[in-house]
Amino acid sequence: GAGVSQSPSNKVTEKGKDVELRCDPISGHTALYWYRQSLGQGLEFLIYFQGNSAPDKSGLPSDRFSAERTGGSVSTLTIQRTEQRDSAMYRCASSLGALGSEQFFGPGTRLTVL
Amino acid sequence: RKEVEQDPGPFNVPEGATVAFNCTYSNSASQSFFWYRQDCRKEPKLLMSVYSSGNEDGRFTAQLNRASQYISLLIRDSKLSDSATYLCVLNTDKLIFGTGTRLQVFP
Repeated sequence: GAGVSQSPSNKVTEKGKDVELRCDPISGHTALYWYRQSLGQGLEFLIYFQGNSAPDKSGLPSDRFSAERTGGSVSTLTIQRTEQRDSAMYRCASSLGALGSEQFFGPGTRLTVL
Repeated sequence: RKEVEQDPGPFNVPEGATVAFNCTYSNSASQSFFWYRQDCRKEPKLLMSVYSSGNEDGRFTAQLNRASQYISLLIRDSKLSDSATYLCVLNTDKLIFGTGTRLQVFP
């Protein structure tokens, strides 16, 4: 079946612009996660959804970052007033159950802020 | 101190070698543990879960030592296709990924 998909695959934007990243989880997966991975760095947890609610937003780096999930499916991560330090690979994952279940990752969105 | 620390790597080993990676963690409340594999420029994929009693999956053996707070991954009879970055992952109230250990298997 289809895996996790993310769009766009690459996004180049100018400093100060807003960007929206999209994640389509595997059908039926109730949990959805957003991570950020910089070159040579580990995965940095951003936010986690169980259904449409986000029990844990503690990883969001600043109030410029927000995320939502609708219909228990698609999620969008929005970064307002982007800064160069936001440049990274943004990865989405989904799992059938809650934390502790195997996470399936999407191919990521490479964000470059000029 | 980082919540998860891994061997710095890279590990360069010949085909057929046995190689072991260690990962230490600081949060004693960690509930479960995993090893994920990430190929260059690809997404991470679950390699195996780590159980208290230790577990084996073919050439791969994972062990957990709660008293010393470390997890290990042993790969026997290394293959060229094992070349990747291996991520140690803890589940506390969220998943915490280590920065990974790079393995390069050469002919």
